[in-house]
Amino acid sequence: AQTVTQSQPEMSVQEAETVTLSCTYDTSENNYYLFWYKQPPSRQMILVIRQEAYKQQNATENRFSVNFQKAAKSFSLKISDSQLGDTAMYFCAFMGPSNTGKLIFGQGTTLQVKP
Amino acid sequence: GAVVSQHPSRVICKSGTSVKIECRSLDFQATTMFWYRQFPKQSLMLMATSNEGSKATYEQGVEKDKFLINHASLTLSTLTVTSAHPEDSSFYICSAREDRGDYGYTFGSGTRLTVV
Repeated sequence: AQTVTQSQPEMSVQEAETVTLSCTYDTSENNYYLFWYKQPPSRQMILVIRQEAYKQQNATENRFSVNFQKAAKSFSLKISDSQLGDTAMYFCAFMGPSNTGKLIFGQGTTLQVKP
Repeated sequence: GAVVSQHPSRVICKSGTSVKIECRSLDFQATTMFWYRQFPKQSLMLMATSNEGSKATYEQGVEKDKFLINHASLTLSTLTVTSAHPEDSSFYICSAREDRGDYGYTFGSGTRLTVV
């Protein structure tokens, strides 16, 4: 069975600095999707970034980028120029062809951006 | 972008009563929707997969008779918590997956259920 692990329960960063959130996963499948979701205090789940496993190029969305290491099964999220609005819980998620469309979430990392 | 509307956002009910939560995809069709439960500062726990026109698929340990799911159309799924008890108090979130395009997932804004 696939698993997703986020080993950092809480992190903090100063405004304007860079922070990296870690995520590892376990799967025997070759084609799959990985996601980072943000859940701010409003608790609305927001897609931050998505990566297809067959793409070697790391996905980037403005200040958010990933470091996707397929062989190591690692999928970290880098937030550059952190802003107060980035304060949220971040979830790494996996979806593979055998999941019947289900997302498998990691435990989450609570990120606090300090002024 | 895709929008999923979830109602109500908050509900308080008495122990023993039933509560219905609606999840509606506003601008896309979703054959498949998902229902999650989330405790404070914890991850989302998948309860069931809702399939339009067929029975929902429940995750292990989820009581089918307590959490009734109906997906009667391509844009609407409902979760009914029957005979609610205080231990059912939680945050419930739905998600809809688009039938075409990039098959992205869109989440509702969640429902905070309090059973008193």
